[in-house]
Amino acid sequence: NAGVTQTPKFQVLKTGQSMTLQCAQDMNHEYMSWYRQDPGMGLRLIHYSVGAGITDQGEVPNGYNVSRSTTEDFPLRLLSAAPSQTSVYFCASSSSGPPEYFGPGTRLTVT
Amino acid sequence: GEDVEQSLFLSVREGDSSVINCTYTDSSSTYLYWYKQEPGAGLQLLTYIFSNMDMKQDQRLTVLLNKKDKHLSLRIADTQTGDSAIYFCAETPGGYNKLIFGAGTRLAVHP
Repeated sequence: NAGVTQTPKFQVLKTGQSMTLQCAQDMNHEYMSWYRQDPGMGLRLIHYSVGAGITDQGEVPNGYNVSRSTTEDFPLRLLSAAPSQTSVYFCASSSSGPPEYFGPGTRLTVT
Repeated sequence: GEDVEQSLFLSVREGDSSVINCTYTDSSSTYLYWYKQEPGAGLQLLTYIFSNMDMKQDQRLTVLLNKKDKHLSLRIADTQTGDSAIYFCAETPGGYNKLIFGAGTRLAVHP
């Protein structure tokens, strides 16, 4: 039982590049979400999903896309990276209710 | 508006009690949560309190809620070095899928 896994751990992008942050969980959780954490701030919700095929926007969705084709996976796509997207990204899951298990995070730098 | 405020830093001696405070703004939050983040790791859900409760105790953790003042606190009894971490409170004005986090309180435990 690996919990919530995220890849990569670190990534450097140039402005305008696109990439996908991967997130997977093996707990059969319906609820998954993506947050970003910036220095001196709390986590902010980007997108979330309440089950396969269902996604919705959070507080800061602009510049990000998600899809949920399976219960296990919830990838986050950056369409055209900008320096403002430099952050630490966390994926989380729960069987219901608030995020319970968080992944170890992806540290993204956009130059 | 939605805003959660916490003091940034707290230092306590090992064995003493720690009290971490949080104020929130949205009285419609049904649940209020406390998360712990250890260095280099994702958040873990510590405990929560339902908005119609004043107090909740869970082993060494006590959560107090003052709805009139919109004030939430987390007390850790017999604080240990393993409790050193950043503690985040979160409110749920948009339902438990959409948490609003504070910036976090860094707890340092010294001998």
